This record gives sequence, structure tokens and C-alpha cells, in this order.
Amino acid sequence: GNSVTQMEGPVTLSEEAFLTINCTYTATGYPSLFWYVQYPGEGLQLLLKATKADDKGSNKGFEATYRKETTSFHLEKGSVQVSDSAVYFCALESLPIQGAQKLVFGQGTRLTINP
Amino acid sequence: GAGVSQTPSNKVTEKGKYVELRCDPISGHTALYWYRQSLGQGPEFLIYFQGTGAADDSGLPNDRFFAVRPEGSVSTLKIQRTERGDSAVYLCASSLTGRGVRTDTQYFGPGTRLTVL
Repeated sequence: GNSVTQMEGPVTLSEEAFLTINCTYTATGYPSLFWYVQYPGEGLQLLLKATKADDKGSNKGFEATYRKETTSFHLEKGSVQVSDSAVYFCALESLPIQGAQKLVFGQGTRLTINP
Repeated sequence: GAGVSQTPSNKVTEKGKYVELRCDPISGHTALYWYRQSLGQGPEFLIYFQGTGAADDSGLPNDRFFAVRPEGSVSTLKIQRTERGDSAVYLCASSLTGRGVRTDTQYFGPGTRLTVL
């Protein structure tokens, strides 16, 4: 079945450091891939997405590229801020002919940025 | 505009009791999803509605769990004879169509934290 494996956390970085959170997936077909973020005390928010191979999703300085050959969708940011502290979830969405367009999530990576 | 709302935000109950959790999706969204997020884990799919009908309930853990969406808008997740293992955050999401459209995005509510004592 479909699954997502994320880099285990927690991850602690200093402000302005470079961030990478690894994500790999197993899926049949060609799923859409997502990064969701959960800020403290808030609900899940879509950060970025990519719907086909070699697509790059980007938002708020974060980027992730859909790599079919390595089945990966790693999240990167060149210079993190304290406000980026949150839990990040990688997810895939299958596009079945029938049934739910359900999301399958990784376990989440807690990111803390120190000033 | 208004996002997905869920009530209550917190629910504490005793083992064996019945609970109802409510989700109010974004207006006009035909697809509605329920997920469950256990501590330290990612959300797990429970059930999907397309309009009023439960199109996929394959994620419901057992027959104590049931959900309805009688008018194609608000949905209620019902849990009978609650057990301590049911303690989790229950998330609701909605999307415009849910019908295999690559541009469709699921928008999540803030969740209901259920604690079973």
C-alpha cells in the first residue's frame, strides 16, 4: 500500500541555517505530493504541493521537488526563521478511479528554530 | 472567508460513554474527510463523504465508529462505547470536489482533542 517515511525529529537549528527535511514515499501510480505544516496551537495548513514528476512546489521560502526516480520529496529552506518552528508533515494523495482521494501522511518532523 | 470549523475543541469523557464530534466544512465543498491523529503521529484517514454519502469508510477502526452527513454539509463523527485507545485529535477536512482533480486541496479544521479517561 501507499506509505510515506519522513526524517525523524526533533530537528533544532539556529536562525538563518539551511533546512532539509527528508521525505520518501511508496505508492502505486503517480500520486500528488504535499507538505503540510502545523504551527503551535493551530490546525494543519498546506505549505506546498507538486502534482507530477519534476514539479517543484514552493511557498514562504520553502521548496520541494517531486523526484520520481528516487521517490522523494525533500523539503528545503535556505534560511530559516524562528517563526518556522512547527511540525512538518509530508503526505501523498492517491488519485483512485473510485474511492477517496485520501491523504497518507508521514509521522511528522518537529522543527525548532533558536534565535 | 470561513474555514473548516470543528466543535468541541476539547472533549473529555469516561470509558464506555458515547461522543459526537461535529465538523462544519467550507461552504460549497462537496468532499469531506475525517482523520485521526494520535500523539506523535501523522493523521490517519477514517472516512470520506462525497455529498451526503459515505463513499469510503475503509479507515474506520471498528463498528463503534460511525459518521453522517445528512444534508451534504455538516458532518458528525459518532463514537460508541469509547475506549482509552480512542484518545486522539480528530481532524476534519474538506475539498471542493474530491473527484481526482489534481488541483483539489484539502483544507483542515483545528481538530477536536478527545480524551477518554
